[in-house]
Amino acid sequence: QVQLVQSGAEVKKPGASVKVSCKASGYTFTDYYIHWVRQAPGQGLEWMGWINPNSGGTKYAQKFQGSVTVTSDTSISTAYMEVNRLRFDDTAVYFCTRGEVAAGLEYWGQGTLVTVSS
Amino acid sequence: EIVLTQSPGTLSLSPGERATLSCRASQSVSSTYLAWFHQKPGQAPRLLIYGASSRATGIPDRFSGSGSGTDFTLTISRLEPEDFAMYYCHQYGTSPLTFGQGTRLEIK
Repeated sequence: QVQLVQSGAEVKKPGASVKVSCKASGYTFTDYYIHWVRQAPGQGLEWMGWINPNSGGTKYAQKFQGSVTVTSDTSISTAYMEVNRLRFDDTAVYFCTRGEVAAGLEYWGQGTLVTVSS
Repeated sequence: EIVLTQSPGTLSLSPGERATLSCRASQSVSSTYLAWFHQKPGQAPRLLIYGASSRATGIPDRFSGSGSGTDFTLTISRLEPEDFAMYYCHQYGTSPLTFGQGTRLEIK
């Protein structure tokens, strides 16, 4: 069965960076895009960007251009999302999710809580 | 970007009742790329409906989606206790992908 398993919770100081991993199993990793979505405490869902693991191509929401980098390692079926220059308002749960042309975002990781605190 | 506005913000109903949730887009969304999720506290969103009206794998038939253009609806025919959660609509046809702000479905 399709599974996306994310790395554990992180606590970081403002200005630091954080890198969250998302390990895929149960399907051919290079056949589907991986998207990243975040959710601040008590707030809604916010799309951040995607990576095409087959080509390495990426696309980001304008808000995250320059501060977020999404990469993947096809040898271990894992995608990564790095946020640089963390701010207090980057405190959120970060989700990876598999993208399909027709069905959209059907499979999700469990989420990774990133807390930015001084 | 396409802004999705959901209404109502909160819907208070009892188990067994019918729920109707609305999602209005700031510009036309291809029906092919309109989805609905629900989310319970501490969990990832779960896909209910994609392509405006197709149920995702394992979703019971009390959930149905309809609509086109800028107006979409999620209907839950008879509410079960496990249906009380946050609901989000989502468009994935135009970048940036966007989500509605959510409707809270709570027990009356």
